[in-house]
Amino acid sequence: DQQVKQNSPSLSVQEGRISILNCDYTNSMFDYFLWYKKYPAEGPTFLISISSIKDKNEDGRFTVFLNKSAKHLSLHIVPSQPGDSAVYFCAASPPDDYKLSFGAGTTVTVRA
Amino acid sequence: NAGVTQTPKFQVLKTGQSMTLQCAQDMNHNSMYWYRQDPGMGLRLIYYSASEGTTDKGEVPNGYNVSRLNKREFSLRLESAAPSQTSVYFCASSPTVSEQFFGPGTRLTVL
Repeated sequence: DQQVKQNSPSLSVQEGRISILNCDYTNSMFDYFLWYKKYPAEGPTFLISISSIKDKNEDGRFTVFLNKSAKHLSLHIVPSQPGDSAVYFCAASPPDDYKLSFGAGTTVTVRA
Repeated sequence: NAGVTQTPKFQVLKTGQSMTLQCAQDMNHNSMYWYRQDPGMGLRLIYYSASEGTTDKGEVPNGYNVSRLNKREFSLRLESAAPSQTSVYFCASSPTVSEQFFGPGTRLTVL
């Protein structure tokens, strides 16, 4: 039973516009959340994270929002660039736990 | 500084054959992990090693064994490969319970 769900398998966005990726989780013990980006034939690379004591974390063009009551987080990419075309995975873990639970991923395509 | 390296990059096995996937990291990380990625499933944890000398099962350990050879190396063994083990395998490492750094993956096909 997947504890982290990304319900949109794909997203297409025009260059320069905002990309919004969504992630829902079911385990109320999760307190640390991460986004990874993956290009074809490469391993995932860490993008941004947020702990449950915050509701927003920003790093350049990337912002993650956490809504604990709704068990929902989102990743905003502004502005979207062609190099952002990739698969994005949401992941979560309970406190002091080595095990990350991953969502199925969302494929983002940025159109010129 | 190569990060996390994995060998081989590609492998084709026949059902029943055995093989070992190798992983090494040069970041002096304590923890190492093996995942498999299947279409529509995301990454699922097979085994992990919180520190040198320890290993623990993840979400999908059946059919696999692991060895934490030293702090740098963590291998994954398939004793008798099955078609259901066709997947892309990723090794990762982390300094503690924090973001994990992934290798480039091994694409395994079992016929």
